[in-house]
Amino acid sequence: KAGVTQTPRYLIKTRGQQVTLSCSPISGHRSVSWYQQTPGQGLQFLFEYFSETQRNKGNFPGRFSGRQFSNSRSEMNVSTLELGDSALYLCASSLGATGAKNIQYFGAGTRLSVL
Amino acid sequence: DQQVKQNSPSLSVQEGRISILNCDYTNSMFDYFLWYKKYPAEGPTFLISISSIKDKNEDGRFTVFLNKSAKHLSLHIVPSQPGDSAVYFCAAGVNQAGTALIFGKGTTLSVSS
Repeated sequence: KAGVTQTPRYLIKTRGQQVTLSCSPISGHRSVSWYQQTPGQGLQFLFEYFSETQRNKGNFPGRFSGRQFSNSRSEMNVSTLELGDSALYLCASSLGATGAKNIQYFGAGTRLSVL
Repeated sequence: DQQVKQNSPSLSVQEGRISILNCDYTNSMFDYFLWYKKYPAEGPTFLISISSIKDKNEDGRFTVFLNKSAKHLSLHIVPSQPGDSAVYFCAAGVNQAGTALIFGKGTTLSVSS
C-alpha cells in the first residue's frame, strides 16, 4: 500500500506570495490533517478534512486554508506569505475515527522557505 | 500555554539498556495519548497509543504508562537499539476534536552501541 505523498518536497517563496501544497492520502483513508512544524513551536495542528468537509481547525490565521477533493486528496493554501510561515508542513491521513485506535500516517512533509 | 510538555530535549542511552521518555500534560480532558518517532527527512511514525481509561499498554519492546492523577505518561523501550535513535513525540487528543492532536516538542533519543 502506498504511503502518504506530499508534493512538492521543497519550496522557496518570497514574502507576499501565495503557495499551494498537496497531499495524497493512503488509499481508503477519508481524513486528512495538516500540521506545521517549526523549531520553536513544534508540531501544531492546522486543520482536518473528512469527506470533503473541514471537521476541525487549529489556531491559525485565515491566510491558511485548505480543501479536500472527492478522492480524499487535499490541498493547503497559504496566502500573503510571511517570513514566519517558513516551516515543515506535514500531512497525515487516517480512517477518520477518533480515539486511541485512530492511527494517523504522516507524509514526509513539504519544507517551505519564505525569503 | 503548552498543553503537552516533554521537558527533556535529549536522552542518551547505551544499547541494551532501558530508555524512558517522559511527557506531562495539563488538560484533563484528553481522551487518548500517542507516541510517534521521527527520523530526519521523514514524517513521524506511529509507535504506540493508550486510552485515558487504561494505565498501561505494551507492544513488543515498547510500553506506555499513564498516570492520570499526575497527568504524566512515559514510554519505555526495552532493550534499546541503535536504530531507535530518533526524535520521539508525545501527542494527545480529545474524542470530540476529531483527529486533531496536540504534540509535545519532542525528545531526541541517542542509543550508542
